[in-house]
Amino acid sequence: QVPLVESGGGVVQPGGSLRLSCVASRFTFNAFDMHWVRQAPGKGLEWVTFIRSDGRNAFYADSVKGRFTVSRDNSKNTLYLQIDSLRSEDSAVYYCAVMGPNIYYWGQGTLVSVSS
Amino acid sequence: DIAMTQSPISLPVTPGEPASISCRSSQSLLHTNGDNYLDWYLQKPGQSPQLLIYLGSIRASGVPDRFSGSASGTHFTLKISRVEAEDVGVYYCMQLLQTPFSFGQGTKLEIK
Repeated sequence: QVPLVESGGGVVQPGGSLRLSCVASRFTFNAFDMHWVRQAPGKGLEWVTFIRSDGRNAFYADSVKGRFTVSRDNSKNTLYLQIDSLRSEDSAVYYCAVMGPNIYYWGQGTLVSVSS
Repeated sequence: DIAMTQSPISLPVTPGEPASISCRSSQSLLHTNGDNYLDWYLQKPGQSPQLLIYLGSIRASGVPDRFSGSASGTHFTLKISRVEAEDVGVYYCMQLLQTPFSFGQGTKLEIK
């Protein structure tokens, strides 16, 4: 089993919405903070958001604040990213990741394309 | 916000030769616990990023010992003692001390 598997990407019109999911396995999901990182085509990595292990606190990049909402369901070992008011510059591969302590996994990514 | 600056942007290397990548942070990444909150990742072509070094200098599990990380103030260095063909890809540093977390712009290593 792959530790992190993302889904939910697709083609959406500007102004539209998507919800990405990331299912975790092989580690104790509810013990770790979780991140979303994105990568626009041909570009570098951009940190987007992270949520505490208990889901009570979340932090966002300025570029997505107010439009993106991260959440998690620890009973389902699943991380979510609600993306609203999509813009062309949001087109990217979205990765979920756990970045320590002592456990570092990234998913394979899910592609979001914003196009009219 | 903490800015991360990598150099060089492109790094052609002959197999068997050493390589070095620099990453500078605009602020100290030293946590009160004494650790530098700086990780190094390698993204091979068509793959997700993979962790090489965490907390500035600790090699991740399974990473060959030809990779090493060091820190001096706000200057961080990733060294490869002898480059192999499988090391090609883009290397990123990332700070996790303070939100918004941030990556360097990446260094593309290619084989001469």
